[in-house]
Amino acid sequence: EVQLVESGGGLVQPGGSLRLSCATSGFPLNTYWMHWVRQVPGKGLVWVSRINREGTTTTYADSVKGRFTISRDNAKNTVHLQMNSLRVEDTAVYFCVRVVSGWNDVIRAFDNWGQGTMVTVSS
Amino acid sequence: QSALTQPASVSGSPGQSITISCSGTSSDIGSYDLVSWYQQHPGKAPKLIIYDVSKRPSGVSYRFSGSKSGNTASLTISGLQAEDEADYYCCSYAHTTPVIFGGGTKVTVL
Repeated sequence: EVQLVESGGGLVQPGGSLRLSCATSGFPLNTYWMHWVRQVPGKGLVWVSRINREGTTTTYADSVKGRFTISRDNAKNTVHLQMNSLRVEDTAVYFCVRVVSGWNDVIRAFDNWGQGTMVTVSS
Repeated sequence: QSALTQPASVSGSPGQSITISCSGTSSDIGSYDLVSWYQQHPGKAPKLIIYDVSKRPSGVSYRFSGSKSGNTASLTISGLQAEDEADYYCCSYAHTTPVIFGGGTKVTVL
C-alpha cells in the first residue's frame, strides 16, 4: 500500500523557518517525481514545488521561489520542503503528493496524497 | 497564471446527473489531454477520480466520467449519491507553470 506521511508543520512567526518531511512507503520512491501542494483551509489547491526522480531538477511556484527548497533522500524514502522567510500568506495545509508522469515527464495526475500537515505563520 | 474557472457550487437530487465545468485557455486545457479531477471530503486529502481527461483509476466508480472540448473540461457524476457530496477540483498540465488547479466546486446532494 502506498503511504505518504507528512510531518514538521506547526506555528511559526513571520520570517521564521520550518522543514516539512514526507515519509514514503509502499513504492520505489526513486521512480517518481514528487510534489508539494498547499491549501489554505476553506480555499483551493495550489501547486508549490516539484523534484525529479534523482533530485537534480527542482521547480517552484513564483510565490515561494527563493524562499522554499525541495529535496529528497531516496535511500531514506523521504522528501523534504525547507521553508524560509515565511509569510502570513504561507499559512496552509501542505500535502506531499506522488505524480504519475507521461511522455517527457509531463504531469498526468497526482495519484497519491499524504494527509497533509498544517503550517501557521502568525505573530 | 490564473486558476482554472469552475462554478463555486453545483447541486442535485439523489439519482440525478450533474456536470461540473472547468474552463481554461489554449495554454493549458486546450493544448494537452492532461486534465485530472480530484474529490475532497472535509478534512481529508484530495483523491484522484479522473486523469488523462476521461480515464478512471482502479476502484473509482463508473458514475464519474470526464470529457473535454476546446479549452473546457467537464466532470459528470451520474446517479448522484449522498457520498458524492464533496469539493471537486480540476487540474491541467500547463508546461510553464507546470500545473494549474481550478478553484473548486462544492457539490451538494439535496
